[in-house]
Amino acid sequence: GQNIDQPTEMTATEGAIVQINCTYQTSGFNGLFWYQQHAGEAPTFLSYNVLDGLEEKGRFSSFLSRSKGYSYLLLKELQMKDSASYLCAMRNGNSGGYQKVTFGTGTKLQVIP
Amino acid sequence: DGGITQSPKYLFRKEGQNVTLSCEQNLNHDAMYWYRQDPGQGLRLIYYSQIVNDFQKGDIAEGYSVSREKKESFPLTVTSAQKNPTAFYLCASGGGELFFGSGTQLSVL
Repeated sequence: GQNIDQPTEMTATEGAIVQINCTYQTSGFNGLFWYQQHAGEAPTFLSYNVLDGLEEKGRFSSFLSRSKGYSYLLLKELQMKDSASYLCAMRNGNSGGYQKVTFGTGTKLQVIP
Repeated sequence: DGGITQSPKYLFRKEGQNVTLSCEQNLNHDAMYWYRQDPGQGLRLIYYSQIVNDFQKGDIAEGYSVSREKKESFPLTVTSAQKNPTAFYLCASGGGELFFGSGTQLSVL
């Protein structure tokens, strides 16, 4: 089976940097995603890592270590609009060749002035 | 414009009734997914499909059924066997990044 863990809630100050961690256990790992979701809306794609290392995209960066089953999302220069839930998701394949995408429970980030 | 469309936005189910949620995409994606989200929770996988006429159970398939007769369409039926159907339902498609519909909020009358 697969399991994804991330903190339930975090609070950070406007203008600061915050790191949201995600750990996972799975077989057939085939990529890790980060999504942002505002309340009552659909998730929107932020980043994708399939190889170890850091992927940077503007104020957002994501890191992956496959050997440790660990990823983090780094948000810089926090803005009030970054208050949202951040979902870690994992794609894995099975022996039948099926690829599925499983989500963690999400981290609710509150940005305060 | 290309995208993924879910309907209706809000749906009410009576006791013992089956209801069907629609999901259509024109992104030419092979893979499609259905997720359920409860308040304050993450997304839980109900069913997924990687090709027409084939689909797989996710983590919480009991009380749900799907069909994949066309590449563009992946409807989800919430059957009367699903005793706690109230939730936000999200459909997605994509082989890498997932694209999501706007969701359907299902409630029980």
